[in-house]
Amino acid sequence: GQNIDQPTEMTATEGAIVQINCTYQTSGFNGLFWYQQHAGEAPTFLSYNVLDGLEEKGRFSSFLSRSKGYSYLLLKELQMKDSASYLCAVRADGSYQLTFGKGTKLSVIP
Amino acid sequence: KAGVTQTPRYLIKTRGQQVTLSCSPISGHRSVSWYQQTPGQGLQFLFEYFSETQRNKGNFPGRFSGRQFSNSRSEMNVSTLELGDSALYLCASSRGDPSTDTQYFGPGTRLTVL
Repeated sequence: GQNIDQPTEMTATEGAIVQINCTYQTSGFNGLFWYQQHAGEAPTFLSYNVLDGLEEKGRFSSFLSRSKGYSYLLLKELQMKDSASYLCAVRADGSYQLTFGKGTKLSVIP
Repeated sequence: KAGVTQTPRYLIKTRGQQVTLSCSPISGHRSVSWYQQTPGQGLQFLFEYFSETQRNKGNFPGRFSGRQFSNSRSEMNVSTLELGDSALYLCASSRGDPSTDTQYFGPGTRLTVL
Protein backbone atom coordinates (compact mmCIF):
# COMPACT_ATOMS: atom_id res chain seq x y z
CA GLY A 1 0.00 0.00 0.00
CA GLN A 2 0.87 3.65 -0.08
CA ASN A 3 1.00 6.18 2.73
CA ILE A 4 1.80 9.84 2.25
CA ASP A 5 2.10 12.36 5.06
CA GLN A 6 2.32 16.13 4.92
CA PRO A 7 1.44 18.84 7.44
CA THR A 8 -2.17 19.91 7.46
CA GLU A 9 -1.64 23.65 7.69
CA MET A 10 1.18 26.18 7.58
CA THR A 11 1.33 29.95 7.83
CA ALA A 12 4.10 32.15 6.46
CA THR A 13 4.73 35.83 5.87
CA GLU A 14 4.71 37.56 2.51
CA GLY A 15 8.25 37.74 1.11
CA ALA A 16 9.52 34.88 3.27
CA ILE A 17 10.56 31.32 2.40
CA VAL A 18 8.52 28.27 3.36
CA GLN A 19 9.30 24.56 3.13
CA ILE A 20 6.50 22.02 2.91
CA ASN A 21 7.58 18.48 3.74
CA CYS A 22 6.19 15.21 2.46
CA THR A 23 7.11 11.71 3.60
CA TYR A 24 5.94 8.59 1.84
CA GLN A 25 5.91 4.83 2.22
CA THR A 26 5.09 3.06 -1.00
CA SER A 27 5.31 -0.43 -2.42
CA GLY A 28 6.70 0.96 -5.67
CA PHE A 29 7.98 4.33 -6.79
CA ASN A 30 8.09 6.02 -10.15
CA GLY A 31 8.03 9.70 -9.36
CA LEU A 32 6.80 12.30 -6.91
CA PHE A 33 4.64 15.24 -7.93
CA TRP A 34 3.68 18.50 -6.31
CA TYR A 35 0.44 20.23 -7.24
CA GLN A 36 -1.01 23.56 -6.15
CA GLN A 37 -4.74 23.85 -5.60
CA HIS A 38 -6.53 27.11 -4.91
CA ALA A 39 -9.87 26.84 -3.16
CA GLY A 40 -12.58 25.74 -5.54
CA GLU A 41 -10.18 25.16 -8.40
CA ALA A 42 -8.41 22.22 -10.02
CA PRO A 43 -4.91 21.15 -8.98
CA THR A 44 -2.20 22.62 -11.18
CA PHE A 45 1.11 20.89 -11.76
CA LEU A 46 4.14 22.42 -10.04
CA SER A 47 6.99 19.93 -10.15
CA TYR A 48 8.08 16.36 -10.71
CA ASN A 49 11.01 14.47 -9.16
CA VAL A 50 12.02 10.93 -10.05
CA LEU A 51 15.74 11.09 -9.20
CA ASP A 52 17.30 12.28 -5.95
CA GLY A 53 18.12 15.94 -5.75
CA LEU A 54 16.75 19.39 -6.20
CA GLU A 55 14.65 20.62 -9.11
CA GLU A 56 14.36 24.39 -9.37
CA LYS A 57 11.68 26.23 -11.27
CA GLY A 58 11.55 29.94 -10.62
CA ARG A 59 10.39 30.67 -7.07
CA PHE A 60 9.53 27.00 -6.53
CA SER A 61 11.98 24.17 -5.87
CA SER A 62 11.35 20.54 -5.04
CA PHE A 63 13.71 18.05 -3.44
CA LEU A 64 13.61 14.27 -3.34
CA SER A 65 15.43 11.62 -1.31
CA ARG A 66 14.25 8.17 -2.37
CA SER A 67 16.24 6.35 0.32
CA LYS A 68 14.51 8.41 3.03
CA GLY A 69 11.08 8.48 1.38
CA TYR A 70 11.15 12.24 1.72
CA SER A 71 10.43 15.27 -0.39
CA TYR A 72 9.95 18.96 0.18
CA LEU A 73 8.59 21.87 -1.76
CA LEU A 74 10.36 25.17 -1.20
CA LEU A 75 8.58 28.41 -2.00
CA LYS A 76 10.67 31.59 -2.05
CA GLU A 77 9.64 35.24 -2.02
CA LEU A 78 6.15 34.32 -0.94
CA GLN A 79 3.27 36.23 -2.45
CA MET A 80 -0.32 36.46 -1.27
CA LYS A 81 -1.43 34.49 -4.32
CA ASP A 82 0.61 31.52 -3.04
CA SER A 83 -2.08 30.94 -0.41
CA ALA A 84 -3.40 27.55 -1.50
CA SER A 85 -3.26 23.86 -0.73
CA TYR A 86 -0.14 22.02 -1.83
CA LEU A 87 -0.56 18.36 -2.69
CA CYS A 88 2.20 15.78 -2.67
CA ALA A 89 1.53 12.73 -4.86
CA VAL A 90 3.45 9.55 -5.59
CA ARG A 91 3.21 7.43 -8.72
CA ALA A 92 3.74 3.69 -8.46
CA ASP A 93 5.73 1.72 -11.02
CA GLY A 94 4.19 1.50 -14.49
CA SER A 95 0.90 2.99 -13.42
CA TYR A 96 -0.90 6.24 -13.92
CA GLN A 97 -2.38 6.01 -10.48
CA LEU A 98 -1.28 8.89 -8.29
CA THR A 99 -1.63 8.50 -4.55
CA PHE A 100 -2.08 11.89 -2.93
CA GLY A 101 -1.38 13.19 0.51
CA LYS A 102 -4.19 15.08 2.21
CA GLY A 103 -2.58 18.38 1.24
CA THR A 104 -0.99 21.26 3.15
CA LYS A 105 -3.04 24.43 3.37
CA LEU A 106 -0.63 27.36 3.20
CA SER A 107 -1.76 30.78 4.36
CA VAL A 108 0.42 33.74 3.42
CA ILE A 109 -0.07 36.73 5.68
CA PRO A 110 1.07 40.33 5.14
CA LYS B 1 -3.74 24.49 -26.60
CA ALA B 2 -7.04 24.10 -24.78
CA GLY B 3 -6.94 22.45 -21.37
CA VAL B 4 -8.95 19.62 -19.94
CA THR B 5 -12.67 20.34 -19.94
CA GLN B 6 -15.31 18.76 -17.76
CA THR B 7 -19.07 18.97 -17.94
CA PRO B 8 -21.21 19.74 -16.15
CA ARG B 9 -19.39 21.90 -13.60
CA TYR B 10 -22.08 21.55 -10.96
CA LEU B 11 -24.69 18.90 -10.40
CA ILE B 12 -27.31 18.24 -7.75
CA LYS B 13 -28.88 14.80 -7.49
CA THR B 14 -30.88 12.85 -4.94
CA ARG B 15 -30.05 9.53 -3.34
CA GLY B 16 -30.70 6.55 -5.57
CA GLN B 17 -30.30 8.43 -8.82
CA GLN B 18 -27.49 7.90 -11.26
CA VAL B 19 -25.17 10.45 -12.83
CA THR B 20 -22.84 10.68 -15.82
CA LEU B 21 -19.89 13.06 -15.92
CA SER B 22 -17.89 13.93 -19.01
CA CYS B 23 -14.24 14.77 -19.58
CA SER B 24 -12.46 15.94 -22.74
CA PRO B 25 -8.68 15.64 -22.50
CA ILE B 26 -6.06 17.96 -23.89
CA SER B 27 -5.72 17.51 -27.64
CA GLY B 28 -3.30 14.69 -28.38
CA HIS B 29 -3.59 13.16 -24.91
CA ARG B 30 -4.79 9.58 -24.91
CA SER B 31 -4.96 8.80 -21.20
CA VAL B 32 -7.71 9.98 -18.87
CA SER B 33 -7.72 9.37 -15.13
CA TRP B 34 -10.57 10.10 -12.73
CA TYR B 35 -10.26 11.15 -9.10
CA GLN B 36 -12.69 11.87 -6.29
CA GLN B 37 -11.85 14.69 -3.89
CA THR B 38 -13.54 15.07 -0.52
CA PRO B 39 -12.51 17.11 2.53
CA GLY B 40 -12.07 13.98 4.64
CA GLN B 41 -10.28 11.66 2.23
CA GLY B 42 -8.52 14.08 -0.09
CA LEU B 43 -7.89 13.07 -3.68
CA GLN B 44 -8.51 9.39 -4.38
CA PHE B 45 -7.91 7.56 -7.64
CA LEU B 46 -10.96 6.03 -9.33
CA PHE B 47 -9.69 4.63 -12.64
CA GLU B 48 -7.60 5.33 -15.70
CA TYR B 49 -8.36 4.77 -19.37
CA PHE B 50 -6.09 4.57 -22.38
CA SER B 51 -7.19 3.80 -25.91
CA GLU B 52 -10.69 2.90 -24.73
CA THR B 53 -9.36 0.36 -22.21
CA GLN B 54 -9.33 0.61 -18.44
CA ARG B 55 -5.71 0.14 -17.35
CA ASN B 56 -5.96 0.82 -13.63
CA LYS B 57 -8.74 0.85 -11.07
CA GLY B 58 -8.83 2.21 -7.54
CA ASN B 59 -10.69 0.86 -4.52
CA PHE B 60 -14.18 2.08 -5.24
CA PRO B 61 -17.38 0.01 -5.39
CA GLY B 62 -18.80 -1.22 -8.66
CA ARG B 63 -21.33 1.62 -8.65
CA PHE B 64 -18.50 3.72 -10.08
CA SER B 65 -17.77 2.95 -13.70
CA GLY B 66 -16.31 4.66 -16.70
CA ARG B 67 -15.54 4.40 -20.35
CA GLN B 68 -13.46 6.09 -23.00
CA PHE B 69 -14.37 6.80 -26.58
CA SER B 70 -12.23 6.61 -29.70
CA ASN B 71 -11.65 10.38 -29.58
CA SER B 72 -10.21 9.95 -26.04
CA ARG B 73 -13.17 11.67 -24.38
CA SER B 74 -14.19 9.86 -21.24
CA GLU B 75 -17.29 9.52 -19.12
CA MET B 76 -17.75 8.24 -15.63
CA ASN B 77 -21.01 7.00 -14.22
CA VAL B 78 -22.15 6.63 -10.64
CA SER B 79 -25.28 4.57 -10.07
CA THR B 80 -27.51 4.42 -7.00
CA LEU B 81 -26.08 7.60 -5.56
CA GLU B 82 -25.35 7.84 -1.85
CA LEU B 83 -24.91 10.93 0.30
CA GLY B 84 -21.22 10.07 0.63
CA ASP B 85 -20.75 10.41 -3.10
CA SER B 86 -20.96 14.18 -2.74
CA ALA B 87 -17.53 15.33 -3.88
CA LEU B 88 -15.50 17.12 -6.49
CA TYR B 89 -14.80 14.74 -9.37
CA LEU B 90 -11.65 15.55 -11.26
CA CYS B 91 -10.34 14.13 -14.44
CA ALA B 92 -6.74 14.37 -15.54
CA SER B 93 -5.26 13.82 -18.96
CA SER B 94 -1.82 12.82 -20.12
CA ARG B 95 -0.17 11.58 -23.28
CA GLY B 96 -0.11 7.91 -22.39
CA ASP B 97 3.28 6.85 -21.03
CA PRO B 98 2.88 6.09 -17.31
CA SER B 99 6.63 6.14 -16.77
CA THR B 100 7.18 9.74 -17.68
CA ASP B 101 3.97 11.63 -18.17
CA THR B 102 2.52 14.42 -16.07
CA GLN B 103 -1.21 14.51 -15.44
CA TYR B 104 -3.07 17.76 -16.04
CA PHE B 105 -6.33 18.28 -14.25
CA GLY B 106 -9.62 19.67 -15.44
CA PRO B 107 -11.74 22.10 -13.39
CA GLY B 108 -13.84 19.30 -11.92
CA THR B 109 -17.52 18.55 -11.51
CA ARG B 110 -18.97 19.40 -8.11
CA LEU B 111 -21.59 16.73 -7.32
CA THR B 112 -24.00 17.24 -4.45
CA VAL B 113 -26.23 14.35 -3.42
CA LEU B 114 -29.27 15.26 -1.33
